[in-house]
Amino acid sequence: AQKVTQAQTEISVVEKEDVTLDCVYETRDTTYYLFWYKQPPSGELVFLIRRNSFDEQNEISGRYSWNFQKSTSSFNFTITASQVVDSAVYFCALTLQAPSGSARQLTFGSGTQLTVLP
Amino acid sequence: DSGVTQTPKHLITATGQRVTLRCSPRSGDLSVYWYQQSLDQGLQFLIQYYNGEERAKGNILERFSAQQFPDLHSELNLSSLELGDSALYFCASSVALGGTYEQYFGPGTRLTVT
Repeated sequence: AQKVTQAQTEISVVEKEDVTLDCVYETRDTTYYLFWYKQPPSGELVFLIRRNSFDEQNEISGRYSWNFQKSTSSFNFTITASQVVDSAVYFCALTLQAPSGSARQLTFGSGTQLTVLP
Repeated sequence: DSGVTQTPKHLITATGQRVTLRCSPRSGDLSVYWYQQSLDQGLQFLIQYYNGEERAKGNILERFSAQQFPDLHSELNLSSLELGDSALYFCASSVALGGTYEQYFGPGTRLTVT
């Protein structure tokens, strides 16, 4: 069975600081997909990014960047120049490659509560 | 706005009661997933439907059941409610099974059992 670990329960930073959220995953499958979701105080889950196991190219999107390293089974998320509006719980999730026609479910980590102070 | 709708937003009920949570997926999405988020268990997958058929079951209690209707909306039925069932219940949808389609989540239904 697969597992996602987010060891950081809570992180607090001051606005404009950079912050990295760690995610470590476990799976025996060679093809899988990793995700980051954001849950702001309002409660909804917002999709941020998906990476495929066969694509280790790191990605930057505005102030967000993701570092995927298969060698260490990690998929870390960095926010540059953090803002108060970034305060939320961030979840890392994993799903396996599913054969055509079969189901696919997300396995979530326990989440990291990020608080950005003004 | 993800395009997934869930009703009601909040639900307060007593132990032993039965409730129904409703979800409408994004237009064009055939697959619906239900997740439960609680303080002690975190985010857990409950059940998944694809085009009206049940496709996967996770940690769903026997007191819980779900279905997906021909118009693709889905309902999660929770019966004989216990205090421990208090949680945030999310519905998510995706275009298809398999592949790389990400799941888009609704705003959730917060269930409080008193």
